Amino acid sequence: DTAVSQTPKYLVTQMGNDKSIKCEQNLGHDTMYWYKQDSKKFLKIMFSYNNKELIINETVPNRFSPKSPDKAHLNLHINSLELGDSAVYFCASSQDTAGNYEQYFGPGTRLTVT
Amino acid sequence: RKEVEQDPGPFNVPEGATVAFNCTYSNSASQSFFWYRQDCRKEPKLLMSVYSSGNEDGRFTAQLNRASQYISLLIRDSKLSDSATYLCVVNNGNFGNEKLTFGTGTRLTIIP
Repeated sequence: DTAVSQTPKYLVTQMGNDKSIKCEQNLGHDTMYWYKQDSKKFLKIMFSYNNKELIINETVPNRFSPKSPDKAHLNLHINSLELGDSAVYFCASSQDTAGNYEQYFGPGTRLTVT
Repeated sequence: RKEVEQDPGPFNVPEGATVAFNCTYSNSASQSFFWYRQDCRKEPKLLMSVYSSGNEDGRFTAQLNRASQYISLLIRDSKLSDSATYLCVVNNGNFGNEKLTFGTGTRLTIIP
């Protein structure tokens, strides 16, 4: 059974387009995250939601808008895509916001902007 | 100074050898520490948490030195399947607003 799933797995699109990535977890966790891993493999948190409420919003352009319809889902919408948005985007979840809980990652969405 | 710093490697180590990685962190108030493992083109997965007293899980031993602000990972009797990138992870942030800060990873290749 997949614990954290993301769709799509690959996304190739042109500059200026708008795209969404979906994430779902079936672990019953309260907290979900979006991370970006760039070409240098640096993994950096973008957003964190706890029970559908935004709790972490790192310095991310306004073009990125997360949405959590319920605590099992966290979607990421990106407007006006730029070349620099090309990266692997990982969704993750944890039991709670406390930092000592293990985070479970989805398989990633490889976004390529041309 | 970077929040979490690791030697990126690559470390190319013969099978059966012992290998150790270090990682330094800048925030002395950090409370939780972890090693995650990431295989090529896969997601990161928790390898082990790092406790103040040090902890061992089979062939893996993690140590924390708060005074010097570094964390180490020791792998004994390395296997081919240990080839991966090892990410040092530190919990930064305040209560209720905690976040994991990842190092850039140390790439390990075990050679037959």
